[in-house]
Amino acid sequence: NAGVTQTPKFQVLKTGQSMTLQCAQDMNHNSMYWYRQDPGMGLRLIYYSASEGTTDKGEVPNGYNVSRLNKREFSLRLESAAPSQTSVYFCASTEEGRGKTQYFGPGTRLLVL
Amino acid sequence: SQQGEEDPQALSIQEGENATMNCSYKTSINNLQWYRQNSGRGLVHLILIRSNEREKHSGRLRVTLDTSKKSSSLLITASRAADTASYFCATVIERSNYKLTFGKGTLLTVNP
Repeated sequence: NAGVTQTPKFQVLKTGQSMTLQCAQDMNHNSMYWYRQDPGMGLRLIYYSASEGTTDKGEVPNGYNVSRLNKREFSLRLESAAPSQTSVYFCASTEEGRGKTQYFGPGTRLLVL
Repeated sequence: SQQGEEDPQALSIQEGENATMNCSYKTSINNLQWYRQNSGRGLVHLILIRSNEREKHSGRLRVTLDTSKKSSSLLITASRAADTASYFCATVIERSNYKLTFGKGTLLTVNP
């Protein structure tokens, strides 16, 4: 089992460029999450998907879109990147959307110039 | 604002000593979880304590929960250099569709 995988590991963008962060899990989990982590801020929830076919906004959704492609995959898209989106992005999954243990991917470091 | 707040923000101890980290939160919870993050890595779940539990143990970890004070503590006994990491508490609030809300973390440094 690979657990939760994320691609790419690192990305540099120019302001205004777009990109999609990919996340996949092989644990047959229903719920998946996208967080961003900034220095001194802890993790903040961007979007989550309680089950295949549903997505909901988290604490900081502005500037992002998500797609729950199937049960395994949950992608995060930046349509027009801004320097304020420079951060480390983590994907996580849990077996059901009821506060169970979350399993995290290794993260994607994004730098927007 | 963050639901959970860890205290202290940073803690430096010697190997073999015990490390205690605290977490305070604001609203009623379903459960509280502690996670560990090594530098440059993702978070790893350590322990979950439910709102009707007061104490839980896992190896060298001991977690307590005081719902009347809305606080939790994580104790790591006989610390090792490999315990050096950031530790986060995360709360699950029943009204929030069971999402996790993380605190800002405590950076623990264990000196050999």
